Amino acid sequence: DIQMTQSPSTLSASVGDRVTITCRASQSVRMWLAWYQQKPGKAPQLLIYKASTLQSGVPSRFSGSGSGTEFTLTISSLQPDDFATYYCQQYDRFWTFGQGTKVEIK
Amino acid sequence: QVQLQESGPGLVKPSETLSLTCTVSGGSISSGGHYWMWIRQHPGKGLEWIGYIYYSGSTYYNPSLKSLVTISLDTSKNQFSLKLNSVTAADTAVYYCARSMDLGPGYDAFDIWGQGTMVSVSP
Repeated sequence: DIQMTQSPSTLSASVGDRVTITCRASQSVRMWLAWYQQKPGKAPQLLIYKASTLQSGVPSRFSGSGSGTEFTLTISSLQPDDFATYYCQQYDRFWTFGQGTKVEIK
Repeated sequence: QVQLQESGPGLVKPSETLSLTCTVSGGSISSGGHYWMWIRQHPGKGLEWIGYIYYSGSTYYNPSLKSLVTISLDTSKNQFSLKLNSVTAADTAVYYCARSMDLGPGYDAFDIWGQGTMVSVSP
């Protein structure tokens, strides 16, 4: 099984901050990495797929990078609507999620 | 626009079978290219992929649950279903159905999700 590890688990930030979340895979997943945003009581929403491709309708302040075993999600200027939990997911071999990163208000 | 909606009992007794259905609207489940998924999320925890079914009927299950899970397809109703046998309190979770994108060979990310349904396992 491919294990996905996110860091940090919790991140405290202010509106306007640049935020970076890291996701590491236990083996190479090439570029088959997605990022999701989940708000309380809601289903996850796809933000980025293929490591860096922005899903339609997602604001351009979100960006993704990386390949192989290390990936990052960056929010260039945190907005009030961005306080949520973020998950990475590999889909190189079936699907595995990271444990999540909660972005909370500082 | 394709939408997914989970339905089923919110309470299941230990040792019984959890049964959920996902109804697909706005598109055909038989159109091909997409994997149809079940995912669950334990209270306050992360996401666990349960398994998928393809429009052809082929399935694959998370090895950690494989012996207990069955996913099936009803193309006449545009639905797919999950059965989880011999449930315990550890199966208490929000259950989501989802669809993978269709961008080419291999697997894809999940672009459409149902709203999720909470299932509690309790006597």
